[in-house]
Amino acid sequence: DQQVKQNSPSLSVQEGRISILNCDYTNSMFDYFLWYKKYPAEGPTFLISISSIKDKNEDGRFTVFLNKSAKHLSLHIVPSQPGDSAVYFCAASGVGSSNTGKLIFGQGTTLQVKP
Amino acid sequence: DTAVSQTPKYLVTQMGNDKSIKCEQNLGHDTMYWYKQDSKKFLKIMFSYNNKELIINETVPNRFSPKSPDKAHLNLHINSLELGDSAVYFCASGRRRDHEKLFFGSGTQLSVL
Repeated sequence: DQQVKQNSPSLSVQEGRISILNCDYTNSMFDYFLWYKKYPAEGPTFLISISSIKDKNEDGRFTVFLNKSAKHLSLHIVPSQPGDSAVYFCAASGVGSSNTGKLIFGQGTTLQVKP
Repeated sequence: DTAVSQTPKYLVTQMGNDKSIKCEQNLGHDTMYWYKQDSKKFLKIMFSYNNKELIINETVPNRFSPKSPDKAHLNLHINSLELGDSAVYFCASGRRRDHEKLFFGSGTQLSVL
């Protein structure tokens, strides 16, 4: 019963091009979505987030889009750089006050940006 | 000056042993967490403490017992280790009002033989 899914385990992109990472969720009660980035042998680091009342949030080269009707979000990286090569986790939260701080993670997508 | 530090980084042990993983954060956060990354790479929450009070306790075997001596520390003790406990365990911290933006430690790779 995986509520957050990243169906593409890996993605390879040429440097300078756009990287698009996708995420689907099943629980319409989620009210906050996040992307984390993880390098090998390190913990995940927060990248960007979006509230369910918005459909887009931009931070430099990173933009997250939210389509609530489709229960889908995506992370766009433009332009992609070799240093962006990492595992990207989508996460969701907000189901009830008792779950404050509980993030539901997808299984991650490994992005490789080729020079 | 690591923000969230956990020790040890690697832990190899025999079935049936008891082991502990320590976590400390110097960010002044009021909430700390333990997450487990299983073999399928899913990160799943195990426990959450806010100001030393347990606020989230997922369906985790009672062989796992978190202990928070103060706001800056959340340790994980595991009794009678089993093969299925092998995983990477991540400690994290955050502010309750900003709870989604968690800061993670670098993980502890636990291997039970």
